Amino acid sequence: GENVEQHPSTLSVQEGDSAVIKCTYSDSASNYFPWYKQELGKRPQLIIDIRSNVGEKKDQRIAVTLNKTAKHFSLHITETQPEDSAVYFCAAYSGSARQLTFGSGTQLTVLP
Amino acid sequence: DAGVTQSPTHLIKTRGQQVTLRCSPKSGHDTVSWYQQALGQGPQFIFQYYEEEERQRGNFPDRFSGHQFPNYSSELNVNALLLGDSALYLCASSLAGEEKLFFGSGTQLSVL
Repeated sequence: GENVEQHPSTLSVQEGDSAVIKCTYSDSASNYFPWYKQELGKRPQLIIDIRSNVGEKKDQRIAVTLNKTAKHFSLHITETQPEDSAVYFCAAYSGSARQLTFGSGTQLTVLP
Repeated sequence: DAGVTQSPTHLIKTRGQQVTLRCSPKSGHDTVSWYQQALGQGPQFIFQYYEEEERQRGNFPDRFSGHQFPNYSSELNVNALLLGDSALYLCASSLAGEEKLFFGSGTQLSVL
């Protein structure tokens, strides 16, 4: 089955700096890669996603890049703000298995 | 437009007991997936229901079972509870054939 690895597990940045979180996946049949933000005690919220026919996608301060050959994808947050502090999860959807597999999460702390 | 709703929000059980968790999908959605999220980890796929049938199943024992009703709502049942079943149980809904998941706020289950 699919295996998603996520790094780093914790990340601290100064307000205004950029943050990068990286994930790798194992199933070459995976074709959809969402990123979720989960604040303490709250539901995971979809913040951005990318499909395998696209190499990069941007939404304001958030961008995601995908390298299908290397089977890795990354989340980039620019001009970080304290409200960006949360746990971020990457995930990969395998069309053959028809399920979403999550990474282990990254605790992002933005220091004021 | 109601999002995904889950009940109850919190539940305390003892080992050996049985529990039922409930989920109502986002309006217009017909597919429900259940995930288990242990503390400090990413959500783990339990199973998915569509057209009142289990369509996909993750690596969980038969103690975990589910049901989907004609109105698309769903239940997750766990029998013979173990201490290790303590976790946040998340329900996610989607449209059949689409990968994008919308999560509920979860049910926090504590097994004592």
